[in-house]
Amino acid sequence: EAQVTQNPRYLITVTGKKLTVTCSQNMNHEYMSWYRQDPGLGLRQIYYSMNVEVTDKGDVPEGYKVSRKEKRNFPLILESPSPNQTSLYFCASRRGASYNEQFFGPGTRLTVL
Amino acid sequence: AQTVTQSQPEMSVQEAETVTLSCTYDTSESDYYLFWYKQPPSRQMILVIRQEAYKQQNATENRFSVNFQKAAKSFSLKISDSQLGDAAMYFCAYRDPRGSQGNLIFGKGTKLSVKP
Repeated sequence: EAQVTQNPRYLITVTGKKLTVTCSQNMNHEYMSWYRQDPGLGLRQIYYSMNVEVTDKGDVPEGYKVSRKEKRNFPLILESPSPNQTSLYFCASRRGASYNEQFFGPGTRLTVL
Repeated sequence: AQTVTQSQPEMSVQEAETVTLSCTYDTSESDYYLFWYKQPPSRQMILVIRQEAYKQQNATENRFSVNFQKAAKSFSLKISDSQLGDAAMYFCAYRDPRGSQGNLIFGKGTKLSVKP
């Protein structure tokens, strides 16, 4: 089954404790991205990757890091989480062309205390 | 910068009736793509329908159709014969294919309730 998976689905952590949210897709997609969803704000892009070893900042990159060492994986790293990073996070992927459907993961609910 | 506006934070419709969700966007580009995504309580983002700006014909997918008015920069979603399973958050999104990101820019969403 073609899908985007994220782990963990739920995470409660404390300020300053480094964490990684994993994202993996099995569709051989070139393009992957991370979004955060906050009430009243919709989804905003954090980082994206056009292919292996090619990443770039989205609209709200502060406090986040990513890497793309393999085509299928695109982890999101919070080196020192803060309460304002409490949010719902989505990973997404698509084949290269912009018209193509973007497939979303199931979401990760992160709470930073 | 491109922006997407959904002016209706919440909408309600009676089962089997028709409802229209509004979306406007701001862009100086002539070629772009528009999307409607559905987010049910499960939080999964599901593509409902998409439209290429150079196509004049409005896209349709079963009970879902759009009214694309390029000059007015309007992209509304019409849901016919509404069903209980249509209850969800609906997001309008814009993509500029020539942008360095090919990023999806989302509106803030419209929460649709369906009354039995």
